[in-house]
Amino acid sequence: GNSVTQMEGPVTLSEEAFLTINCTYTATGYPSLFWYVQYPGEGLQLLLKATKADDKGSNKGFEATYRKETTSFHLEKGSVQVSDSAVYFCALHLNTNAGKSTFGDGTTLTVKP
Amino acid sequence: NAGVTQTPKFRVLKTGQSMTLLCAQDMNHEYMYWYRQDPGMGLRLIHYSVGEGTTAKGEVPDGYNVSRLKKQNFLLGLESAAPSQTSVYFCASSPLGRGGSQPQHFGDGTRLSIL
Repeated sequence: GNSVTQMEGPVTLSEEAFLTINCTYTATGYPSLFWYVQYPGEGLQLLLKATKADDKGSNKGFEATYRKETTSFHLEKGSVQVSDSAVYFCALHLNTNAGKSTFGDGTTLTVKP
Repeated sequence: NAGVTQTPKFRVLKTGQSMTLLCAQDMNHEYMYWYRQDPGMGLRLIHYSVGEGTTAKGEVPDGYNVSRLKKQNFLLGLESAAPSQTSVYFCASSPLGRGGSQPQHFGDGTRLSIL
């Protein structure tokens, strides 16, 4: 079956530190990959996506590259801010799966000033 | 610019009571989903729909029913609420897309407590 494994949290960083949140996947097919972010009291919202191997998704200073050879989609940001504190979810979509997504368990990031 | 709207935002029920959670989307999306989010367990799919008049079971369907009589609405019902159903419920929708490339759009959640 399909699965997504995320780096366990919580992760605590100081402002301006470098962030990496690891994400690996298994899929019976060729998925699209996503990172979602959830701020306190809100629903998930799309942060970035990549739909084919070697694609790089980017948004708000965050980046992730679709690595088919290592089945990974690690999230990175060069300099985090306090406002980046949130829960981050890695997810995959397969078109053959009625649009259903497979989500990781989420990684909580806290950035301290 | 509403997107996905969930009603109500908060609710407290007594064990055995029933209620319906409403989800409405104004983006003409084909797919709609209901998830529950519990501490340490990520998102779990309860039921989903691939179009008006269709529903299907997800990962944790027991104790819930759904209906999609109109394309824009997806209702989640609890017939006899149990404390184990205390959770945050999220509705999401997504359009048809090539290769599964379309993301899901989420509402802000309904926080439900069963006493």
